[in-house]
Amino acid sequence: SQQGEEDPQALSIQEGENATMNCSYKTSINNLQWYRQNSGRGLVHLILIRSNEREKHSGRLRVTLDTSKKSSSLLITASRAADTASYFCATGISGGSYIPTFGRGTSLIVHP
Amino acid sequence: SQTIHQWPATLVQPVGSPLSLECTVEGTSNPNLYWYRQAAGRGLQLLFYSVGIGQISSEVPQNLSASRPQDRQFILSSKKLLLSDSGFYLCAWSGPGGPRLAGKETQYFGPGTRLLVL
Repeated sequence: SQQGEEDPQALSIQEGENATMNCSYKTSINNLQWYRQNSGRGLVHLILIRSNEREKHSGRLRVTLDTSKKSSSLLITASRAADTASYFCATGISGGSYIPTFGRGTSLIVHP
Repeated sequence: SQTIHQWPATLVQPVGSPLSLECTVEGTSNPNLYWYRQAAGRGLQLLFYSVGIGQISSEVPQNLSASRPQDRQFILSSKKLLLSDSGFYLCAWSGPGGPRLAGKETQYFGPGTRLLVL
């Protein structure tokens, strides 16, 4: 069963706009990761945020984590056509194996 | 640097035929290895993981099996494919040292194998 669920399922924006994707989960976690998948390719790790962190930045990416709401968001600023991909959150559950559990992903399309 | 290879990239197989997908990792020792399946428009389903040679954990019951004959080689097999086995199969590795250790959560994925069972 899915631990993390991304929202929205699909997002379509224009180049230069910001893209925000959300992830909600059900049980306590040690960490949450965001991955990106280009069509027909493997996943690429973007960022990991631990349960004692609230915000992390990496280039144009900003990830927040609210453990009280059991949610995370991924913000891509000044989007580019090359950001078109599916984005997945993966949660590492507290007290369990560290193996991340993936959601179904958000499909992002950035129009040039 | 570490790299992960999967082959073949694409495979079309008839129902009832056997399957063997291979994954190899270079540039690291004693990695944790994983097989995932991704159905169209769906998330990743963890099939198997391995923390060492000959050590395989199965996450879901099915007609697939996995083996790890060498430290950096992970093989996914089936004796008889079903239509429902169609999908995108991804192999991944993470830092060595076994599970339940902080800092080993990040996974690095191979390019995937697209399997179509007809």
